[in-house]
Amino acid sequence: AQSVTQLGSHVSVSEGALVLLRCNYSSSVPPYLFWYVQYPNQGLQLLLKYTSAATLVKGINGFEAEFKKSETSFHLTKPSAHMSDAAEYFCAVSDHPPPGTASKLTFGTGTRLQVTL
Amino acid sequence: DGGITQSPKYLFRKEGQNVTLSCEQNLNHDAMYWYRQDPGQGLRLIYYSQIVNDFQKGDIAEGYSVSREKKESFPLTVTSAQKNPTAFYLCASSIGRGAWETQYFGPGTRLLVL
Repeated sequence: AQSVTQLGSHVSVSEGALVLLRCNYSSSVPPYLFWYVQYPNQGLQLLLKYTSAATLVKGINGFEAEFKKSETSFHLTKPSAHMSDAAEYFCAVSDHPPPGTASKLTFGTGTRLQVTL
Repeated sequence: DGGITQSPKYLFRKEGQNVTLSCEQNLNHDAMYWYRQDPGQGLRLIYYSQIVNDFQKGDIAEGYSVSREKKESFPLTVTSAQKNPTAFYLCASSIGRGAWETQYFGPGTRLLVL
């Protein structure tokens, strides 16, 4: 079964500083990996996803993530944090359903990002 | 605009009462999902549906029921058997063709117990 682990339930950075949110996965097959963002009392929005096309994936709002098979990691980064980045971030891994059928996601427990002045 | 709507935004349940959460999508997606979110636990899958008139249990289906009579709609009923229903409930949908697909989420319903 697939799983993801997010290290650090809370991360605090200063505005303009590097953002690094960690995600490690466990999968017996090549994984499909996702990062979602959730603003308070809202649904989740896709930031980016890895589908094996390229190991460095660029997403919305200046975020990117690098797939590293040797480290079983898919960490999310942004060079310069903005106040509007304050939110909760979830890493997720997809199962591998039969062709032509819907997949299921397994989510990590989330990392709350705080951005300070 | 295409998207997923959930209603109500807040819902209150009394002891022994069943309540139903609405989820509607106009994205023409085949697959729909219900998740429960609790602080510090991420999202957990309750039920999902691949097509109309078909649905499967997720990881925490006990105390919940669903129906899928129309492609656009996937209501969730929280029954009196669910002893700890207070949570944020999220509905999602996807095309339903493979592991690479994005799931799109609604704005959520917060259920509180009186």
